[in-house]
Amino acid sequence: ILNVEQSPQSLHVQEGDSTNFTCSFPSSNFYALHWYRWETAKSPEALFVMTLNGDEKKKGRISATLNTKEGYSYLYIKGSQPEDSATYLCAFEGSARQLTFGSGTQLTVLP
Amino acid sequence: DVKVTQSSRYLVKRTGEKVFLECVQDMDHENMFWYRQDPGLGLRLIYFSYDVKMKEKGDIPEGYSVSREKKERFSLILESASTNQTSMYLCASSPDRGNQPQHFGDGTRLSIL
Repeated sequence: ILNVEQSPQSLHVQEGDSTNFTCSFPSSNFYALHWYRWETAKSPEALFVMTLNGDEKKKGRISATLNTKEGYSYLYIKGSQPEDSATYLCAFEGSARQLTFGSGTQLTVLP
Repeated sequence: DVKVTQSSRYLVKRTGEKVFLECVQDMDHENMFWYRQDPGLGLRLIYFSYDVKMKEKGDIPEGYSVSREKKERFSLILESASTNQTSMYLCASSPDRGNQPQHFGDGTRLSIL
């Protein structure tokens, strides 16, 4: 079983703060790295699928970077809002095309 | 928008019962997946299917089986439910090309008493 780790496990920030989380994954047999947002009582929603080393993707105030050589990805949220409160999951897609998920970072944005 | 529908949001069953969890997707996706989510462990893959009548074991298949008789439907079966199968179960689908996100259902919270 592949090892995909996310840190921190949970995070509380004030509205307006910027924050970032880390996902580390195996650097071999890499195909893609996925980020999902999972709000309470909803289904996980895809944010990004990243494939190339050095890739940067952005969606509104959320952005992500990818380093496949050292096996990590960062997710950044600029100017956090209460509606950003969710669990953020990363998932490693290897040559087998299956996803191996990290255990997630639970973000709470306090008004 | 892709719609992945799971038959129940909440389900309570008894130890030893045979339990069926149903999942239907409406986007003609080839790939379908079943996961369970437990606190602190993230999503773990139980079974997946790349085509009709095809199934592959994921990381934690013990105590489960699956059925895919039609492309849009993927069923998870607990042959004889046990209390350690109390969990949140999520179904997902994706098209048959790499680098595509998976689309998830809302989940079924299953309690085995």
